[in-house]
Amino acid sequence: GIQVEQSPPDLILQEGANSTLRCNFSDSVNNLQWFHQNPWGQLINLFYIPSGTKQNGRLSATTVATERYSLLYISSSQTTDSGVYFCAVAYTGGFKTIFGAGTRLFVKA
Amino acid sequence: EPEVTQTPSHQVTQMGQEVILRCVPISNHLYFYWYRQILGQKVEFLVSFYNNEISEKSEIFDDQFSVERPDGSNFTLKIRSTKLEDSAMYFCASSGLKGGTGNEQFFGPGTRLTVL
Repeated sequence: GIQVEQSPPDLILQEGANSTLRCNFSDSVNNLQWFHQNPWGQLINLFYIPSGTKQNGRLSATTVATERYSLLYISSSQTTDSGVYFCAVAYTGGFKTIFGAGTRLFVKA
Repeated sequence: EPEVTQTPSHQVTQMGQEVILRCVPISNHLYFYWYRQILGQKVEFLVSFYNNEISEKSEIFDDQFSVERPDGSNFTLKIRSTKLEDSAMYFCASSGLKGGTGNEQFFGPGTRLTVL
């Protein structure tokens, strides 16, 4: 099945810093989403981005499907950005969605 | 804004007991999913459901698990005889179109199941 790898596994930032999170996947996908899991465990949709580039405030994401990776950019990080960021993909023609292991982000004040 | 809801938020049960976790997906969505997340680990797919039948399931989803859409709004996950290792957060999700064909899934807040 599809393998999803996220890097880095852990990241500590000073408030105001920028960062890039990466998601590599091993096969063709028709569905790619980025989520933020907050300290209460809720999965918050950030981007639905099987291809292309999207921006939402301080966050943006780019997926290059032909090269099988996606990037999540966080600019001017805030303490409320802390949590775990997951990439999740569904392979072409299937229903099963595979999550990566996540990047655990801690933003220091 | 429409959202997926789940009840209860936390359930504590004794090993061997049956539990039913409930979800109300977004009303015009057609595809429904259950996932679980053991504490500190990644989110794992359990099952997808469309047109009143299971469309795909993982190896985790064995005979102890079942899903049902008993009416037009609820979607349930039943665990027949809980084990300690079933302790996890269970998430329900829904999407408008087939997940693999490409549509955004929306997740509920989760039910934390604790098996003693």
